[in-house]
Amino acid sequence: GNSVTQMEGPVTLSEEAFLTINCTYTATGYPSLFWYVQYPGEGLQLLLKATKADDKGSNKGFEATYRKETTSFHLEKGSVQVSDSAVYFCALFTSGTYKYIFGTGTRLKVLA
Amino acid sequence: NAGVTQTPKFRILKIGQSMTLQCAQDMNHNYMYWYRQDPGMGLKLIYYSVGAGITDKGEVPNGYNVSRSTTEDFPLRLELAAPSQTSVYFCASSSVEGQPQHFGDGTRLSIL
Repeated sequence: GNSVTQMEGPVTLSEEAFLTINCTYTATGYPSLFWYVQYPGEGLQLLLKATKADDKGSNKGFEATYRKETTSFHLEKGSVQVSDSAVYFCALFTSGTYKYIFGTGTRLKVLA
Repeated sequence: NAGVTQTPKFRILKIGQSMTLQCAQDMNHNYMYWYRQDPGMGLKLIYYSVGAGITDKGEVPNGYNVSRSTTEDFPLRLELAAPSQTSVYFCASSSVEGQPQHFGDGTRLSIL
């Protein structure tokens, strides 16, 4: 079945460091891919998405490229801020299933 | 701009009690979902609905029931609360299949 695998956290970085959070997936067909962010005490918010191979999603300085050859959708940011501290979820959707599959989440801590 | 509204935000139940978690969205979305989030486990789908009058089971439906009598509302019912149902519950909606989901802020439920 479909699945999403994320790197385990927590990831601890200093402010202005480069961020990569790895996400790989297993899916039949051509899934849509998403990154969501969850701040403490809140629900998930969409960060970015990509719907086909080689698409790059971007938002608030975060980027991720849909790589079909490596079945990956890694999240990157060039310079993190303390306010980026949150839990990040990778997710996929395959047409006809009605269901979204989420990874287990990666907690990011950014230190001043 | 309310989006997805969940009530209550917090609740403590005794074993064997019942309760209904409320979820309402004002975006006229057809697709609605209930998830539970356990620490380090990501999101598990409990039930989903593709429109008023249509519901289906997700990964972990045992111990829960849902109804969808209107487009706006998608309540989740726990009939006989058990400690294993202690979790954070999120409701989400999307406009059409495969579009990003909008999440509520969650209901934190403890069963003692």
